[in-house]
Amino acid sequence: DAGVIQSPRHEVTEMGQEVTLRCKPISGHDYLFWYRQTMMRGLELLIYFNNNVPIDDSGMPEDRFSAKMPNASFSTLKIQPSEPRDSAVYFCASSRGFWGNQPQHFGDGTRLSIL
Amino acid sequence: GQQLNQSPQSMFIQEGEDVSMNCTSSSIFNTWLWYKQDPGEGPVLLIALYKAGELTSNGRLTAQFGITRKDSFLNISASIPSDVGIYFCAGQGRNSGYALNFGKGTSLLVTP
Repeated sequence: DAGVIQSPRHEVTEMGQEVTLRCKPISGHDYLFWYRQTMMRGLELLIYFNNNVPIDDSGMPEDRFSAKMPNASFSTLKIQPSEPRDSAVYFCASSRGFWGNQPQHFGDGTRLSIL
Repeated sequence: GQQLNQSPQSMFIQEGEDVSMNCTSSSIFNTWLWYKQDPGEGPVLLIALYKAGELTSNGRLTAQFGITRKDSFLNISASIPSDVGIYFCAGQGRNSGYALNFGKGTSLLVTP
């Protein structure tokens, strides 16, 4: 079975540019999560969706970040305009439910570098 | 979200040695999870714990849900080179809004 698929795997862009990260969750999973990983702060939850509806976006750092899930098989995380401090690895994860007994499956991440 | 205190931050051991790492929180969790992350990949679930005092094994890995519900540990017995990676604990509970909160990870290096 295909796991969570993220694209691109790597992104290098200049400050001020718009960045779009993409995620395809595992088929049948109704929860989708976006995380950011940095050395200083570790893994942080940015936002999560249930049945394509955003449930909690309190982890989104600021208005420059936005996320959408237009259908059950696709989600995007957009940063506009991007800044060097946004450099991190961004993970998407999906699960069949929300509780720990329905574990989250992670993609391989997008390594984002903002110059 | 609430930050978990995970220790040690890193470990450098010889193949065959046993490893122990732990996580603590100031708040109660209903679920403790342990993940492993290999370089260039996303975290993969190793063990999930749902009940205070629960002790669960997965091959050479053993994890326990602390009685106070504020801590958990992970042991790896007879380590092998492929155990290299970063191990994360994660807790889920009311105080975190039931979202997963991750520790900062324990980086494990195993020499042959």
